[in-house]
Amino acid sequence: KNQVEQSPQSLIILEGKNCTLQCNYTVSPFSNLRWYKQDTGRGPVSLTIMTFSENTKSNGRYTATLDADTKQSSLHITASQLSDSASYICVVTTTTSGTYKYIFGTGTRLKVLA
Amino acid sequence: DAGVTQSPTHLIKTRGQQVTLRCSPKSGHDTVSWYQQALGQGPQFIFQYYEEEERQRGNFPDRFSGHQFPNYSSELNVNALLLGDSALYLCASSLGASRSWGSPLHFGNGTRLTVT
Repeated sequence: KNQVEQSPQSLIILEGKNCTLQCNYTVSPFSNLRWYKQDTGRGPVSLTIMTFSENTKSNGRYTATLDADTKQSSLHITASQLSDSASYICVVTTTTSGTYKYIFGTGTRLKVLA
Repeated sequence: DAGVTQSPTHLIKTRGQQVTLRCSPKSGHDTVSWYQQALGQGPQFIFQYYEEEERQRGNFPDRFSGHQFPNYSSELNVNALLLGDSALYLCASSLGASRSWGSPLHFGNGTRLTVT
């Protein structure tokens, strides 16, 4: 069964600290993996995409990693800011007969405190 | 360049009633997907429309139906509302179903539906 699991479920950190969010997937075949940020009351917004051949990709203070062998991805946030408080959702794309499907994780809720 | 727009933003309905939610995709996008997001949960896929046809469907009952118009906008209809239908309904647009793997889903800010 195609599944995406994220950990931790929730996280509280102090402003300026770093944190790492985890995503494990059992999706096959694998096309790509995206991390989305969802602010409260808003729709998710794409942060980064990881394809099979990519190990690390950065977008400002966000760095995503992908280990296709172990089917794990992480999102590392450096020097957190109050505006980083949001849910972070891992989404894996898979294909079936040329049709793309998106498998969503349940998200990690991050709260950054001053 | 307008992003994905959804209406209404909030809605309160009574059990048994019917509701219609609307979505206009991002300019240049032709595929619309609908998701249900319960509080504290990730989005659950309802269905996807491309070329005015339902192309994929998630594990949702027939009470959930949709439509896509020639201008690519879309509606989500829910009949015989249940308390459990209370959620944030998100619309996401993308490029054509077979060409969208590399492009992200662009989400609207959702419609918050409360069923009492």
